[in-house]
Amino acid sequence: NAGVTQTPKFQVLKTGQSMTLQCAQDMNHNSMYWYRQDPGMGLRLIYYSASEGTTDKGEVPNGYNVSRLNKREFSLRLESAAPSQTSVYFCASSESGKNTEAFFGQGTRLTVV
Amino acid sequence: EDQVTQSPEALRLQEGESSSLNCSYTVSGLRGLFWYRQDPGKGPEFLFTLYSAGEEKEKERLKATLTKKESFLHITAPKPEDSATYLCAVQARINQAGTALIFGKGTTLSVSS
Repeated sequence: NAGVTQTPKFQVLKTGQSMTLQCAQDMNHNSMYWYRQDPGMGLRLIYYSASEGTTDKGEVPNGYNVSRLNKREFSLRLESAAPSQTSVYFCASSESGKNTEAFFGQGTRLTVV
Repeated sequence: EDQVTQSPEALRLQEGESSSLNCSYTVSGLRGLFWYRQDPGKGPEFLFTLYSAGEEKEKERLKATLTKKESFLHITAPKPEDSATYLCAVQARINQAGTALIFGKGTTLSVSS
């Protein structure tokens, strides 16, 4: 079982470039999430999707867009990358409803120069 | 505002030296408190979910407990392989659409032989 798969694992962008981070899960989960992790800040929610066809902003959505392509896939797009977006990005998925743990991918380490 | 605070930020132990990690939380209606382990360069790995005050769960050398305001992760006779960052999270309602995990900043545990 692959679980949650993120691509790419590493990426270097120049300021102003755009890119899309891909995420796919094979657990038939309804809910999917994008987090960023920065030193001293912990994991912060960027966007989430409670179910196919819906997306909502989290704590730090500025500079990002998302697409819930289907039940399996949830992508995160940076339209014009900035150095402040240098971070490690994690995708996660979970069953709908309360009291359900989230399963995380291995992360994408993004550097914007 | 839902909030999670973990202490200490870092903890160094000798092999066999038991200790506890603290997670204090404020949330409007606890739907679940989660503990994760994160190794360097990896995504968070689920350990435990606690739902109500007084609940306890164990896994090998780890035991998680929950009160109405905080949770403890007790580590008994730790080994070097227990070295990792331990993350605490609560499931919080983001809006009417659904919920997501809100994380603390983590405690980095180092166990030396």
